Amino acid sequence: ETGVTQTPRHLVMGMTNKKSLKCEQHLGHNAMYWYKQSAKKPLELMFVYSLEERVENNSVPSRFSPECPNSSHLFLHLHTLQPEDSALYLCASSQVWTSDTDTQYFGPGTRLTVL
Amino acid sequence: QKEVEQDPGPLSVPEGAIVSLNCTYSNSAFQYFMWYRQYSRKGPELLMYTYSSGNKEDGRFTAQVDKSSKYISLFIRDSQPSDSATYLCAMRYGNKLVFGAGTILRVKS
Repeated sequence: ETGVTQTPRHLVMGMTNKKSLKCEQHLGHNAMYWYKQSAKKPLELMFVYSLEERVENNSVPSRFSPECPNSSHLFLHLHTLQPEDSALYLCASSQVWTSDTDTQYFGPGTRLTVL
Repeated sequence: QKEVEQDPGPLSVPEGAIVSLNCTYSNSAFQYFMWYRQYSRKGPELLMYTYSSGNKEDGRFTAQVDKSSKYISLFIRDSQPSDSATYLCAMRYGNKLVFGAGTILRVKS
């Protein structure tokens, strides 16, 4: 596997379910990100981890809970979601999130549908 | 007012046309400007990266930045059906990276 991988690619869940999204980067990067992409809206940054520490949390509801066990893996735990949470969830990684010239590499995303 | 404005399209052009994609922004602090391409069912991939005002060319793609007008453009020459995708502009200062909503481009053969 190369680059940034995400599983599952598609997920349908009810509002009372608990599920997790997984991201893995094979680039040796130190920073990882979760974004939400909704139709016709800009990418919304949700969480940033740098060297396994959460450094940014952009007013995301507590029903989304991130976890970064090591620099290669990132999880997004989901519980009691709402239909408006249906979107494409993208994971990204980069070398140094504080650098002006830092470039983010994205995974293919998980298409989430909440019924 | 949104920090970054981008027309969502869709923009439909015939094969071989010159395509112009644009973004405007309101924050003069942005220093680095990027264009990402996103194919259907894929994540965004970095296409072009420029710093400050001026032009940058890479094959059929030219990125242009006009900081005085707070306006950036991506030109695609000799467009191909394989260029059909969503193009996202992004801009950055320090830790802050802001994306446009993306423009859907369809190149018809």
